Amino acid sequence: AQTVTQSQPEMSVQEAETVTLSCTYDTSENNYYLFWYKQPPSRQMILVIRQEAYKQQNATENRFSVNFQKAAKSFSLKISDSQLGDTAMYFCAFMILPGDDKIIFGKGTRLHILP
Amino acid sequence: GAVVSQHPSWVICKSGTSVKIECRSLDFQATTMFWYRQFPKQSLMLMATSNEGSKATYEQGVEKDKFLINHASLTLSTLTVTSAHPEDSSFYICSASRDPNSPLHFGNGTRLTVT
Repeated sequence: AQTVTQSQPEMSVQEAETVTLSCTYDTSENNYYLFWYKQPPSRQMILVIRQEAYKQQNATENRFSVNFQKAAKSFSLKISDSQLGDTAMYFCAFMILPGDDKIIFGKGTRLHILP
Repeated sequence: GAVVSQHPSWVICKSGTSVKIECRSLDFQATTMFWYRQFPKQSLMLMATSNEGSKATYEQGVEKDKFLINHASLTLSTLTVTSAHPEDSSFYICSASRDPNSPLHFGNGTRLTVT
């Protein structure tokens, strides 16, 4: 069975610092997607970044980047120059494609950016 | 193991028919459940908040007569897509928590295809 583990329930960093959120997963599949979602108090789930497992290059989106280590089954999210608006719950998720259409979420990391 | 079960994991239906998706919390009572819809390569859009024993709260732009939500017990919420059309084809995900301060658990999602 596939699992996603986020080992940091809560983190706090000062504004402008860099923070890394960890995520590990377990699967025997070779083709899959990995996601990081940001959940503000509104409960929306905002897609922060997505990584296809077949791509070796780490995905980046502005201040957000990932360190994807396929062999180690690790998918950490790095937020550079953190901003107060980055304060939120962050969920790591995993989906096997094609065909399975099952998404598995980690338990989330609550990130506080301190002024 | 899974704490939120979503059923079915996939369903194909004909245009004009209705489809019901179930979301169950397996080992806790969830006063609130959330329903999301995922569009390809996009964030999860919060459709509605399902409150046990009362009417669901729908997000702006979500048709409440089309997406009927029933939260009849503390462990079950259902989403019924009425008179489904091909544009309703999507991936629907539910989540639940014991209370607003408890961790949020996600179902594995339901792939709906309307032909």
